[in-house]
Amino acid sequence: AQKVTQAQTEISVVEKEDVTLDCVYETRDTTYYLFWYKQPPSGELVFLIRRNSFDEQNEISGRYSWNFQKSTSSFNFTITASQVVDSAVYFCALSDTTTDSWGKFQFGAGTQVVVTP
Amino acid sequence: DAGVIQSPRHEVTEMGQEVTLRCKPISGHNSLFWYRQTMMRGLELLIYFNNNVPIDDSGMPEDRFSAKMPNASFSTLKIQPSEPRDSAVYFCASSFQRGYNEQFFGPGTRLTVL
Repeated sequence: AQKVTQAQTEISVVEKEDVTLDCVYETRDTTYYLFWYKQPPSGELVFLIRRNSFDEQNEISGRYSWNFQKSTSSFNFTITASQVVDSAVYFCALSDTTTDSWGKFQFGAGTQVVVTP
Repeated sequence: DAGVIQSPRHEVTEMGQEVTLRCKPISGHNSLFWYRQTMMRGLELLIYFNNNVPIDDSGMPEDRFSAKMPNASFSTLKIQPSEPRDSAVYFCASSFQRGYNEQFFGPGTRLTVL
């Protein structure tokens, strides 16, 4: 069975600090896909990034960066120089090719990020 | 391009009433997902469709819940009769080639059952 763990329930930072969100996953498959979503206070879920298991290159998009390490089954997300607009709940999700779960996303519990001015 | 469209955005009803939530997926997407989000249980997958066919409804809480997808551009989630514990935000999401690709979420329907 697939499983995603986001151990940090809430992280509070002051604006301009960096913040790293941890995501640890479990799967028996060698082919799988990892995702991050942002849910701001307005409530919508916004897709941020998709990564497949064969691509371990780190990704940077503006102030956002992602570190994928298969050796530790982790797909961590860093916000550099945080801003108040980054305040949101961030979800990590896994999709693998196990027959009984193919097509489903397993979401982590989410990490609430609070950025204060 | 329009994203996933859900209606209504807010619904307040009384216990025992029928509730119908509607979703229009992104054009060209062939997979559609219904989720429910509550503080207690987080984000739960209720059911998903592939090419308009229900693939997995194991997340549907009980027989009071039903979902249909009569065509590629429309789906409904119905609760009959509704109960206060059904109060939640219900999200619809769609994707192209389930599993491989990201799901795009609608704005959600906030349901309150009194």
